[in-house]
Amino acid sequence: AAGVIQSPRHLIKEKRETATLKCYPIPRHDTVYWYQQGPGQDPQFLISFYEKMQSDKGSIPDRFSAQQFSDYHSELNMSSLELGDSALYFCASSRGGSSYNSPLHFGNGTRLTVT
Amino acid sequence: AQTVTQSQPEMSVQEAETVTLSCTYDTSENNYYLFWYKQPPSRQMILVIRQEAYKQQNATENRFSVNFQKAAKSFSLKISDSQLGDTAMYFCAFKVGGTSYGKLTFGQGTILTVHP
Repeated sequence: AAGVIQSPRHLIKEKRETATLKCYPIPRHDTVYWYQQGPGQDPQFLISFYEKMQSDKGSIPDRFSAQQFSDYHSELNMSSLELGDSALYFCASSRGGSSYNSPLHFGNGTRLTVT
Repeated sequence: AQTVTQSQPEMSVQEAETVTLSCTYDTSENNYYLFWYKQPPSRQMILVIRQEAYKQQNATENRFSVNFQKAAKSFSLKISDSQLGDTAMYFCAFKVGGTSYGKLTFGQGTILTVHP
């Protein structure tokens, strides 16, 4: 079965650079979520999109932005990178809607290293 | 706000034995979902099992079952006949039902090691 695809798998950037992470949800999934997992930490929710509109916002820095496109894929843009941004970034997808609570399916994550 | 607590940073079990991972949560919501996710060394997040709060019956998925105690706000995971492939970090997670579109709150995780 098709899964959530994230690219790239690994990314190395220098401080103050910009990074773009991409997420392709499972077909027919209309909701995408982004999570950040620092070393040895539990995943923290960043932001989510439902039907191309931002649906929820967590602890996402102002330096980060994200959007969901017409084909439902999503991109997380990170600017002015800091050492503390080094983490594993997970994307997850589900079929959303206020009365539909399907479980989240996670991608394999993008490991971002900021040097 | 919701909180999820996993009080066991690490657990170990012998192959073929049974192990129980603990999770407690705090919420004022009445409509919510609880999940256990597995994160093996590959770092992928894999859904193990989920429980709807309105269901009294404990969820079961093959060797995995939960003990959901709503009044006590407890949601433990029991793994029977443990296998080497069960070695992973396990996260308990909480999601408010209704309009929250799936934002999960995770516990701190429990590292489970299955020994041969």
